[in-house]
Amino acid sequence: SQTIHQWPATLVQPVGSPLSLECTVEGTSNPNLYWYRQAAGRGLQLLFYSVGIGQISSEVPQNLSASRPQDRQFILSSKKLLLSDSGFYLCAWTGIDEAFFGQGTRLTVV
Amino acid sequence: SQQGEEDPQALSIQEGENATMNCSYKTSINNLQWYRQNSGRGLVHLILIRSNEREKHSGRLRVTLDTSKKSSSLLITASRAADTASYFCATDVGSTLGRLYFGRGTQLTVWP
Repeated sequence: SQTIHQWPATLVQPVGSPLSLECTVEGTSNPNLYWYRQAAGRGLQLLFYSVGIGQISSEVPQNLSASRPQDRQFILSSKKLLLSDSGFYLCAWTGIDEAFFGQGTRLTVV
Repeated sequence: SQQGEEDPQALSIQEGENATMNCSYKTSINNLQWYRQNSGRGLVHLILIRSNEREKHSGRLRVTLDTSKKSSSLLITASRAADTASYFCATDVGSTLGRLYFGRGTQLTVWP
């Protein structure tokens, strides 16, 4: 069966520090992968998506970047975090007729 | 921009009552999906309805789709306290990327 792992679950980082969130998928190959951000009480904003290794598309300009070094690995990064980067980050992949989400990372930038 | 918009933003009911949430969207879709999110967790897929379907059932869930009005509703019958969560609609516009457009969600609280 397919599973998706996302870590860490929570993270508190100071302004200006770097960020690296990792997501890995098991049980499927060549998945379409997505990073979403969810602000408090809001819906999901698509940040990045990837259809293959090294292929990254950005939906909105921001302080973040994404990389896909392996088929089932998707990484969200920042060189210098801003307060506005705080939020709940979700990794997902799409199967036939549904999306599968990781458990999310709660990022607080202080 | 977000495609789906749920209504109401928040809904509070007693156990045993039915809960109805609505979703409106802007463009033509391939299908519409509903997801549930428990507080601080990832989203879980509940049900999908295709653009050529008008109604679908799954257990206590009933979903309707009106493509002429670009709207959908999710009905949870005989609600339970465990149904307390946020519910999101997501539209699949049929792109090859498989991406979904999510609304802001409805926060459902079911009181025991």
